[in-house]
Amino acid sequence: AQSVAQPEDQVNVAEGNPLTVKCTYSVSGNPYLFWYVQYPNRGLQFLLKYITGDNLVKGSYGFEAEFNKSQTSFHLKKPSALVSDSALYFCAVTGGGNKLTFGTGTQLKVEL
Amino acid sequence: DAGVIQSPRHEVTEMGQEVTLRCKPISGHDYLFWYRQTMMRGLELLIYFNNNVPIDDSGMPEDRFSAKMPNASFSTLKIQPSEPRDSAVYFCASSYRGRVYGYTFGSGTRLTVV
Repeated sequence: AQSVAQPEDQVNVAEGNPLTVKCTYSVSGNPYLFWYVQYPNRGLQFLLKYITGDNLVKGSYGFEAEFNKSQTSFHLKKPSALVSDSALYFCAVTGGGNKLTFGTGTQLKVEL
Repeated sequence: DAGVIQSPRHEVTEMGQEVTLRCKPISGHDYLFWYRQTMMRGLELLIYFNNNVPIDDSGMPEDRFSAKMPNASFSTLKIQPSEPRDSAVYFCASSYRGRVYGYTFGSGTRLTVV
């Protein structure tokens, strides 16, 4: 079975400060990892993915994520947060197949 | 490209009624997924199709739920009879070659069963 853990229900950060949203995963086989963002009353928007290769993945809106195989983590980061980044963030994983399993989500709140 | 299109955006129905949710995937995509989002259970995969064939329906909660994909351009998720606990946001997603190229989600259908 595959699973994703997002240990923080909410992350608060001041605008201009760096942000990190944590994600750990468990799969058998090589993981394909994804980050999605959800704004209120909207669908999920793709941010970035890791399939293979460079452990640092760059995505949309200045976000990046670092794949760490030994720690089975895929934390989402951004060097300088914006108020408009406030949203619900989901980490997701697939193992050997195409079934995408999501974490419970982390609410990011960026304050002035 | 218009993306994944779901209809209706909102549906309010009475308990016991039949509900049909619709999805039009991105043209050329060969995978289609149905997810349900609730506060209690988060995002759950209900069923997914590959080339219009159901591959995994282990997430379908019970026999009241059924999904079809009669062609590459259209899928439905039907609940009959509906119950208040079915109230949720239902998302459809499509993909070209599955996980290789990622998944595109629709805007969802918010279902309320009263």
